[in-house]
Amino acid sequence: AQSVTQPDIHITVSEGASLELRCNYSYGATPYLFWYVQSPGQGLQLLLKYFSGDTLVQGIKGFEAEFKRSQSSFNLRKPSVHWSDAAEYFCAVGAGSGGYNKLIFGAGTRLAVHP
Amino acid sequence: ETGVTQTPRHLVMGMTNKKSLKCEQHLGHNAMYWYKQSAKKPLELMFVYSLEERVENNSVPSRFSPECPNSSHLFLHLHTLQPEDSALYLCASSPRGADTQYFGPGTRLTVL
Repeated sequence: AQSVTQPDIHITVSEGASLELRCNYSYGATPYLFWYVQSPGQGLQLLLKYFSGDTLVQGIKGFEAEFKRSQSSFNLRKPSVHWSDAAEYFCAVGAGSGGYNKLIFGAGTRLAVHP
Repeated sequence: ETGVTQTPRHLVMGMTNKKSLKCEQHLGHNAMYWYKQSAKKPLELMFVYSLEERVENNSVPSRFSPECPNSSHLFLHLHTLQPEDSALYLCASSPRGADTQYFGPGTRLTVL
């Protein structure tokens, strides 16, 4: 069965520090992988996605993620965190099925940023 | 982000009330989704509509009744809810196939 694990529930970093959020997935075929961000009281915004090709994916807001098939991982990184990055981050794996895409989400990682 | 809108943004209802949540997408997508987001639980997929046909119903209680009258609109009709149904209800849409889902801002539902 498909599943997504985000091992870190909470992470706190200082502004300007680098960031890595971990994501491990379980999926039988080539996965479609996503990272979303959610600010308090808001919906989910897509940061980046991986379908195929280059395993290093660039996203919005200076984020990137690297797909590592051997480790079943899709970790999200940012070289220098800004206070506005404080939010909850969700990793998801998707499988297209006919006319729609079924996403399985991880439990999320809440990021706090210290000034 | 105005591609997917949801109304109302906040809703408080008693257990005997009947209310409806509305979702509208302006992206020309063919699939629409309802998710439930509760505290301390991963997002739960509730329903999926593809080309206005319900294709997923993930063991959701019958007190939740979805409706998709056309490819741009999705409703979630609520009746005789329980306090544990209090959550953020998110709507999303996607193009046909294994592509990205775009989310609305959600409706924060409180059941008293």
